Amino acid sequence: DSGVTQTPKHLITATGQRVTLRCSPRSGDLSVYWYQQSLDQGLQFLIQYYNGEERAKGNILERFSAQQFPDLHSELNLSSLELGDSALYFCASSVAPRGVSGNTIYFGEGSWLTVV
Amino acid sequence: GESVGLHLPTLSVQEGDNSIINCAYSNSASDYFIWYKQESGKGPQFIIDIRSNMDKRQGQRVTVLLNKTVKHLSLQIAATQPGDSAVYFCAETRSNDYKLSFGAGTTVTVRA
Repeated sequence: DSGVTQTPKHLITATGQRVTLRCSPRSGDLSVYWYQQSLDQGLQFLIQYYNGEERAKGNILERFSAQQFPDLHSELNLSSLELGDSALYFCASSVAPRGVSGNTIYFGEGSWLTVV
Repeated sequence: GESVGLHLPTLSVQEGDNSIINCAYSNSASDYFIWYKQESGKGPQFIIDIRSNMDKRQGQRVTVLLNKTVKHLSLQIAATQPGDSAVYFCAETRSNDYKLSFGAGTTVTVRA
């Protein structure tokens, strides 16, 4: 158990709908990362927050948004869902804002999203 | 596009043998590299990391080698066990970047 908690574990929804994925980082970790994993794209970085502020943005669609709250948990909002959004969404956390030696980035178990 | 990649998408290894998983990266500014293991239905699990000022680092049954000259990274697993069957990812980052970029992954299958 990495200590990163993600909910829900599985979600099935229809195209056009909106979902929210939730992440609780490890105790003491200030940085949260969101990744998308699909069969043909591997692990793609979406966005990163550090202590409530956005620090880095990857290939995140405009239909997607995220935030990190004062209690450090984070939510990833996916709207106007399309079939191609079906994927495994991972949250990860670390103490410091970037990947450096000694600042291990720990991943949660992921949220499986299926869009039908 | 991706800044890291793996040479082979799959690797089949006899139980007890050593495994070598390779990864190439393209950016000479990359200064920190990590290997993750992902078992089916689970999230990536940290295995070992290495900084660019090192060329070798050892953990428990694992060794990471870094060759900056040819921009090559490898993970060696000693005495491979059935529990080592998983997808292995290399990832990299650099001092002017906050994100971790992952390679495509190598699926390791251990034969009994």
